Amino acid sequence: AQSVTQLGSHVSVSEGALVLLRCNYSSSVPPYLFWYVQYPNQGLQLLLKYTSAATLVKGINGFEAEFKKSETSFHLTKPSAHMSDAAEYFCAVSEDNAGNMLTFGGGTRLMVKP
Amino acid sequence: KAGVTQTPRYLIKTRGQQVTLSCSPISGHRSVSWYQQTPGQGLQFLFEYFSETQRNKGNFPGRFSGRQFSNSRSEMNVSTLELGDSALYLCASSTGPGGVYEQYFGPGTRLTVT
Repeated sequence: AQSVTQLGSHVSVSEGALVLLRCNYSSSVPPYLFWYVQYPNQGLQLLLKYTSAATLVKGINGFEAEFKKSETSFHLTKPSAHMSDAAEYFCAVSEDNAGNMLTFGGGTRLMVKP
Repeated sequence: KAGVTQTPRYLIKTRGQQVTLSCSPISGHRSVSWYQQTPGQGLQFLFEYFSETQRNKGNFPGRFSGRQFSNSRSEMNVSTLELGDSALYLCASSTGPGGVYEQYFGPGTRLTVT
């Protein structure tokens, strides 16, 4: 089974600062990777996905992630944090490499200070 | 286009009872997946249905079951409820097999077992 590790259950940044949320995966085959965001009392919203095309993936709301096979990482970044980015972020890998049977990391709660 | 809807949004049940949760996918989506979200275990895959057939199943006891109807709507059932079943149950829909496809999540049903 594949697994996902998100380093840092809580990350705090100042508004306008760089956002970096870390995700490492373990997979015996080329993975399909996803980042989701969850706002309070809501479901999950897909930010971006990696499907073995370009290693730098751009998503919604100014987020992007880079797939690094040598480091088995898929870290999420945003150049400048906004107050509205405060939420919980989940990295996930698809067990069936078709976007289904997602295995999620433990999540990282992002706090943005004014 | 309307998003994934889940009913009810909140539910309180007593240990030993059973519960049925409902999910209506986005129009045109034929695949429905269910996930359980708890503070302790995080997000875990329950099962996935496509064209009324269970395609994948996570590591949950047989008390957890589901089904999908011909209109792609899905229900999940939990029998003999335990305190540990208290969770947010998320439903996600996608178009179905044929490449990597995105899952769209509903707002969830929050189940409390007392």
